[in-house]
Amino acid sequence: DVKVTQSSRYLVKRTGEKVFLECVQDMDHENMFWYRQDPGLGLRLIYFSYDVKMKEKGDIPEGYSVSREKKERFSLILESASTNQTSMYLCASSLGAAPRENIQYFGAGTRLSVL
Amino acid sequence: DAKTTQPTSMDCAEGRAANLPCNHSTISGNEYVYWYRQIHSQGPQYIIHGLKNNETNEMASLIITEDRKSSTLILPHATLRDTAVYYCIVRVHGSGNTGKLIFGQGTTLQVKP
Repeated sequence: DVKVTQSSRYLVKRTGEKVFLECVQDMDHENMFWYRQDPGLGLRLIYFSYDVKMKEKGDIPEGYSVSREKKERFSLILESASTNQTSMYLCASSLGAAPRENIQYFGAGTRLSVL
Repeated sequence: DAKTTQPTSMDCAEGRAANLPCNHSTISGNEYVYWYRQIHSQGPQYIIHGLKNNETNEMASLIITEDRKSSTLILPHATLRDTAVYYCIVRVHGSGNTGKLIFGQGTTLQVKP
């Protein structure tokens, strides 16, 4: 089974801190994704990556950056955390672009609170 | 990008079939319909996908109308563990080869004993 592991389930940070959220997948998937989920707004795509060192902005990239130095690891970075970045963050990966390969597998999520 | 419309919530009795509808009237010919669900405090989980033929797997069945403007996810014998938010998603092709998925609000299915 595909496993997507997020480094923390719960995280509390202070305004202005630099925050790293880590995600690792064990199935040699090409694509990795970062979403945030907020009540009433559903899942919104922040960034995605279709190859090592490649990244593309999703729908809400402002205030975030990402890093993919190795195929299995995709990091989300909050350069200067703000209270409006308090949210549930979900990482996902998929094998490729064909319909069967495009199935996204999600981690359990990181609930981030910025105080 | 094709958009989807789902009812906000539905109830189903345990052991009965749960039929979750989805409208996607602007779907284009090469776009697939995917269904995911999210159980409370967990990440979304893939259920099934299809293009135009009906599909079945160990979790559910997917019925797509002939004009492809709507579909129905069927859980044949719902259990309490099927209580979740169900998302109907039409695949959008992003740059590169990622096939970005857009999650809407979904349907909250409550299975009752």
